[in-house]
Amino acid sequence: EAQVTQNPRYLITVTGKKLTVTCSQNMNHEYMSWYRQDPGLGLRQIYYSMNVEVTDKGDVPEGYKVSRKEKRNFPLILESPSPNQTSLYFCASSLPQRGSNTGELFFGEGSRLTVL
Amino acid sequence: AQSVTQLGSHVSVSEGALVLLRCNYSSSVPPYLFWYVQYPNQGLQLLLKYTTGATLVKGINGFEAEFKKSETSFHLTKPSAHMSDAAEYFCAVFGWQFYFGTGTSLTVIP
Repeated sequence: EAQVTQNPRYLITVTGKKLTVTCSQNMNHEYMSWYRQDPGLGLRQIYYSMNVEVTDKGDVPEGYKVSRKEKRNFPLILESPSPNQTSLYFCASSLPQRGSNTGELFFGEGSRLTVL
Repeated sequence: AQSVTQLGSHVSVSEGALVLLRCNYSSSVPPYLFWYVQYPNQGLQLLLKYTTGATLVKGINGFEAEFKKSETSFHLTKPSAHMSDAAEYFCAVFGWQFYFGTGTSLTVIP
């Protein structure tokens, strides 16, 4: 089954304790991205990756890191989490828009993070 | 630059009534437009998309949307609301990147 898998789905942590949210897709997609969803703000892009070893900042990258060492994985790293990073996080992937591919995003089920 | 505005963060309709969720976009390149739906505790699922060609696009679960270039709109409609349609709906535009609206929460009243 084609899917984007995120782990953990739920996490409560404390300020300053490094954590990693993993994201893996099995569709051989080149493009992957991370979003955070906050009430009234919709989805805001944190980081994205066009392909292996190619990453770039989205609209709200502060406090986050990513890496793309393999095509299928795109982990999100919070080196020193703070309470304002409490949010619902989504990983998504897609094929690039070329030919018949229209580039729609496929989303994971989300990771709800609480930073105390 | 691209952006999306969804009018109305909350919409309530009676079961069986017309659903209309509004989306206006701005884009400096010919846009690809999408509607996604998010059910509670789930990720976003694609409802429908407009890329090129026919301006009226049909999606899953009886939803459809019409691309109106002159109005820079891509409103989502469904003739008859069902209880299972209660969810959060997001409009998105893709120019060079995806930009999402702030979402509209749809409540269906029995």
